[in-house]
Amino acid sequence: QKEVEQDPGPLSVPEGAIVSLNCTYSNSAFQYFMWYRQYSRKGPELLMYTYSSGNKEDGRFTAQVDKSSKYISLFIRDSQPSDSATYLCACRAGTYKYIFGTGTRLKVLA
Amino acid sequence: GAVVSQHPSRVICKSGTSVKIECRSLDFQATTMFWYRQFPKQSLMLMATSNEGSKATYEQGVEKDKFLINHASLTLSTLTVTSAHPEDSSFYICSARAVTGGLSNTGELFFGEGSRLTVL
Repeated sequence: QKEVEQDPGPLSVPEGAIVSLNCTYSNSAFQYFMWYRQYSRKGPELLMYTYSSGNKEDGRFTAQVDKSSKYISLFIRDSQPSDSATYLCACRAGTYKYIFGTGTRLKVLA
Repeated sequence: GAVVSQHPSRVICKSGTSVKIECRSLDFQATTMFWYRQFPKQSLMLMATSNEGSKATYEQGVEKDKFLINHASLTLSTLTVTSAHPEDSSFYICSARAVTGGLSNTGELFFGEGSRLTVL
């Protein structure tokens, strides 16, 4: 079993839809949870960072962590074609080693 | 956010030659940098952890003699793919973690733009 599981997609939604992206993890030592956005042939860009359980909102993006169920989510409101990218979740314990999910490819259709 | 610069963004080389990729943190100091490899439609695979002033720590299955890493300063790490072969063709990405201060309080990683290596 992978430490971080993520559905690779692709996920296609119409413009303006609410997008829900999810990951599950198995290591209960993980305390830090990140979401990265990666456009084709580019490096990942940090979108959201969350410590422990709870919600964090930044503009159209909301990150949610439920440590009891080892489930992390990223919600995108009013999705735009420019949001089309691969979204990677990442988890980290106390060390600096990040464990990444496989990434979910998102397509927002105009 | 912090800026990590990676160069070259794209390189094509002949089989048997060596290729060097540079990773620079432009506006912060990084004691630790990471090198990843990414295959099409797959996630990031950590190859090694580069520590300033000491030897890199390689992940299991990564040949240290094949992928030479040098972290000579707090702002520069290099990855050299030695005697490259077509199977080494891939997208290589570096990331950096800041030393101290605001950027490192959250332990965030900042990524370079990646380098696409094609070995003919």
